[in-house]
Amino acid sequence: QQQVKQSPQSLIVQKGGISIINCAYENTAFDYFPWYQQFPGKGPALLIAIRPDVSEKKEGRFTISFNKSAKQFSLHIMDSQPGDSATYFCAAGYTGTASKLTFGTGTRLQVTL
Amino acid sequence: NAGVTQTPKFQVLKTGQSMTLQCAQDMNHEYMSWYRQDPGMGLRLIHYSVGAGITDQGEVPNGYNVSRSTTEDFPLRLLSAAPSQTSVYFCASSRLDIWNTEAFFGQGTRLTVV
Repeated sequence: QQQVKQSPQSLIVQKGGISIINCAYENTAFDYFPWYQQFPGKGPALLIAIRPDVSEKKEGRFTISFNKSAKQFSLHIMDSQPGDSATYFCAAGYTGTASKLTFGTGTRLQVTL
Repeated sequence: NAGVTQTPKFQVLKTGQSMTLQCAQDMNHEYMSWYRQDPGMGLRLIHYSVGAGITDQGEVPNGYNVSRSTTEDFPLRLLSAAPSQTSVYFCASSRLDIWNTEAFFGQGTRLTVV
C-alpha cells in the first residue's frame, strides 16, 4: 500500500521554466514533509521541508505548497536549470524522526536547454 | 566529518549466501535507518534504530537483520540472500530532536543477487 503517491513519474522542462511535482498522502498523523533530490549514483539529499502548520515555504528557487485539508503537497522549481536535472522524492514522516520516512515513488526531472 | 559512510559500494552475491552491509556515521546521531531503493518504488524503510540497543522494523523487514551496539554503527545483515533482494541500499541518520529537519544519507550499496 503506497501511503505517499507522487506524480508525474517523469518530467521534461525547458530551461527557465517551472517544474511542478505533486504528492498526496493518506496518513493524517504525518507532520513532516521533506523533498529529497538525488543525482545518479548518489544518495538522496534534503532539498526543502515543511510542517503542516504553514501552507507554503520558499527557499531560493524551490517552493513547497501544502494543502492540509486535501492531504496534498507539491514542489515548484522556478527558473529551472539543467543542473536541476535529477530525481526528486517527496516523503512524509514525524517530527523528531527525520530518517524514518515514507517516500513517494520519485520523479525524474530533465531540464533541457 | 565524513557523514554517513557505507561499505561496500558494490556487491554480487549468490543465492543463499550471507553478508553484512556496513553503515557508520560520525555525527553522533541517535536515529539510523536502512532503506532499499528499487525502480519505480522509491525508497522503502527496512529497519531503524533510535539509539544503541534499540531497533525496530520498517515497511519491508523480511530477510534482513540489524543490531545497534554503538551510536556510530548500524550494520544490515542478509542471512540467506535471494534474487528479490537485488537493490540499492541506503543508510540514513538524523538527530532525535523535535526541531530536527534533516536526514543524511550514505552513497549507497548496489547489491546484486544471482
